[in-house]
Amino acid sequence: KQEVTQIPAALSVPEGENLVLNCSFTDSAIYNLQWFRQDPGKGLTSLLLIQSSQREQTSGRLNASLDKSSGRSTLYIAASQPGDSATYLCAVTTNQAGTALIFGKGTTLSVSS
Amino acid sequence: DVKVTQSSRYLVKRTGEKVFLECVQDMDHENMFWYRQDPGLGLRLIYFSYDVKMKEKGDIPEGYSVSREKKERFSLILESASTNQTSMYLCASSPPGFYGYTFGSGTRLTVV
Repeated sequence: KQEVTQIPAALSVPEGENLVLNCSFTDSAIYNLQWFRQDPGKGLTSLLLIQSSQREQTSGRLNASLDKSSGRSTLYIAASQPGDSATYLCAVTTNQAGTALIFGKGTTLSVSS
Repeated sequence: DVKVTQSSRYLVKRTGEKVFLECVQDMDHENMFWYRQDPGLGLRLIYFSYDVKMKEKGDIPEGYSVSREKKERFSLILESASTNQTSMYLCASSPPGFYGYTFGSGTRLTVV
């Protein structure tokens, strides 16, 4: 059964730092991997989607990489800002549950000014 | 702007009540999903649906049922609410394939 793990569970950094969030998955047979952001008490917002055939995707200050064979992805956030404070969730799609996303438990990021 | 709308942001119900959580999407998406989110456990899939009147169990379907009579609406039903069903419930929809997921804002349900 596919399992997704995110490390660390929580992270606190000062404004301006570059940081990396980690995601690992147990079964490399994924269709894609997605990163979401969740603000407290809110729904999820899609940040980046990496197809299984891709190595990375970039959007603004965000860069996500995928190493499917080793079951790992990283989300790199450059020049962090207080507005980046949120929970970041990694999710994969496989043939395990139709088209449903399988989520990690998330990394809660706090950026202080 | 495409939307997934969950009818209630906050809901308080009593133990044993039958509870309906409603989700409506305006994107003509085939796929719809219900998750619950709990601290330390993350998002767990309850049920999903590929089409009208079709449903599939997710990882934690016990104590829940679903209804999809129209393409745009996917309802989660708690037949007899219990305190361990206190949680944040998130609905999502997507087109065919493995992309384009849109989430609702969530319903925080408290069962007392």
